[in-house]
This record gives sequence, C-alpha cells and structure tokens, in this order.
Amino acid sequence: DAKTTQPTSMDCAEGRAANLPCNHSTISGNEYVYWYRQIHSQGPQYIIHGLKNNETNEMASLIITEDRKSSTLILPHATLRDTAVYYCIVRVLSGNTPLVFGKGTRLSVIA
Amino acid sequence: DAGVTQSPTHLIKTRGQQVTLRCSPKSGHDTVSWYQQALGQGPQFIFQYYEEEERQRGNFPDRFSGHQFPNYSSELNVNALLLGDSALYLCASSPRGQLANEKLFFGSGTQLSVL
Repeated sequence: DAKTTQPTSMDCAEGRAANLPCNHSTISGNEYVYWYRQIHSQGPQYIIHGLKNNETNEMASLIITEDRKSSTLILPHATLRDTAVYYCIVRVLSGNTPLVFGKGTRLSVIA
Repeated sequence: DAGVTQSPTHLIKTRGQQVTLRCSPKSGHDTVSWYQQALGQGPQFIFQYYEEEERQRGNFPDRFSGHQFPNYSSELNVNALLLGDSALYLCASSPRGQLANEKLFFGSGTQLSVL
C-alpha cells in the first residue's frame, strides 16, 4: 500500500504557482520522497526527489518539512501543459526498489 | 535517443485468451519493470527483470509472466485473460546501481481491453 496521502484534486490558475501537498508521516530514515506526474494518455514522468533538504530543478521545487512527515511540490508558474495527475511516493534508494503509487492528485490548470 | 517504447499501443482480447506485450528499454538501461494501471488508479507493480531473470514481483498471480532478452527488451505475458485484466500496462526502465536508478523512465503503455 502507498505510504502517502494526497488530496484527490486541485485547481490552479495559469501562471500562478501550484503547491501540491503530500503527507508521509510513517516515512523511514532511508526513504526518499519522489514526485512523478502522468499526463493523460502517457506514462508517468519523473519530476524530482529528495531526502531531507529542499530540492529544485528545471521542472519544480520540493520542500520537505524538518520532521520529514510532509512535503510540498511547487510548480512556480503553472501552464495548461502541467494539467496531470501528480504522484507523491516514498522509496528506498537501493536494490531497484519498485515505485508504490497511490491515487495521486489530479491538478487542473485553468486559463 | 529513443525512450522506452511499447507495442502494441492498443489491444482487444476476449476472456480466456492469452496476450503478449512488448517493451524496449531506453538506451543504456538494463532493468525493466512492468506496471498495471486500472482506470482511475495509480500504477501497480507487477515484476522486474534484469540479467534475463525475474528479480522482484508484486502481488500478481502466476497468470502474469515475463521474459527479458539479451538485448534487455522484455515481454509481459498474461494467460487466461479475465475481464479484470483490462488496464493500461506500463513498462519502465532504469540502469542498475543505487545512484543510477534514481529515476524510472516509463513508456506510454499498452491499453488492453478484455471483452
């Protein structure tokens, strides 16, 4: 079973920041927080991951709370192309550990 | 550089039949994983192959089997199809190694409909 809890859906205005929350209160010390997204009719796409420090790449920023029990994915300037289902996953980074997906958050970016 | 490719994109079968789905991993990747995604759900892990052997398996019956070839491509076979096997089947590839497998690359999937 997924070890994360996410809201079922969210809306965001185009050009505004999208902040997607995730709860992972039972996360272990060796588990990373991963985010993937799935645009309609495509396979999931990796976005970002982190252990305990905040991370930023060309797609998004990941903010992890100090106790590591929750995190927020931030898309700084959402576009219509960011409309997708976003999955928050905790995963041990060893042994080719499979991803365990929940139902994710359906983000709708509105013009 | 081609990413993960899957074939066919769509498939229709009837109950009791058998099906084979195919996957070519991203160049440089030697590990292939298969996931099943039912409508409205997140993908569920079926199994993983590297070095031509099944290494990890999720909670799926023996009707689901696979194979990996020396060129790292892979097949997923499902026997005695049930209506509940209707789903999007996703293939993901990664290189081995703790740091190398940080991210999985997914194909666009095969949509299987069982009638």
